[in-house]
Amino acid sequence: DTAVSQTPKYLVTQMGNDKSIKCEQNLGHDTMYWYKQDSKKFLKIMFSYNNKELIINETVPNRFSPKSPDKAHLNLHINSLELGDSAVYFCASSQASGRGDEQFFGPGTRLTVL
Amino acid sequence: GENVEQHPSTLSVQEGDSAVIKCTYSDSASNYFPWYKQELGKRPQLIIDIRSNVGEKKDQRIAVTLNKTAKHFSLHITETQPEDSAVYFCAASMYRDDKIIFGKGTRLHILP
Repeated sequence: DTAVSQTPKYLVTQMGNDKSIKCEQNLGHDTMYWYKQDSKKFLKIMFSYNNKELIINETVPNRFSPKSPDKAHLNLHINSLELGDSAVYFCASSQASGRGDEQFFGPGTRLTVL
Repeated sequence: GENVEQHPSTLSVQEGDSAVIKCTYSDSASNYFPWYKQELGKRPQLIIDIRSNVGEKKDQRIAVTLNKTAKHFSLHITETQPEDSAVYFCAASMYRDDKIIFGKGTRLHILP
């Protein structure tokens, strides 16, 4: 009965590789997000989708590409991984856009780029 | 864009004492202010939130106050317990875009 799930939990890879992180929510929420949390614990929003439509796209390298096949899924693909991409990536979801609702976070994916 | 400042970055309090974390925001259009708690190795979880039409909200040992004029809001934890040890994030957002801007977090240590 996990609300927001992510796979994989850990991801260790070499510089230059391409990798994907998957996120699924079973809460029936309309909006999903990707956050990056660096080693100093700073949480920064990267992307937001509402009903499969991109609504927030922060200043993120275009090596990062989100994809939302349906409103319950939001995946993150990263091309040409760099050392600075090492972080914990959190997916989150909320009920509806425009109401200031609680965001439910996934367990996070710890990405280590060697 | 919105900018949220949070202080202190680290806070140590004796078990049973109170803890206060303060945040300021820059955009007067922000109208939703959640607080998230993140335990070590876990996901952030909402502990309390306040909307701009309210000045104070309380839930058992935690309370949040909001001063819209000064653009600051605070989290108060009373009778602190060991399980309160965590990183706490304040945040601000506007209803219209659901984009939450987080503060940089406060690491709270409860001392025995």
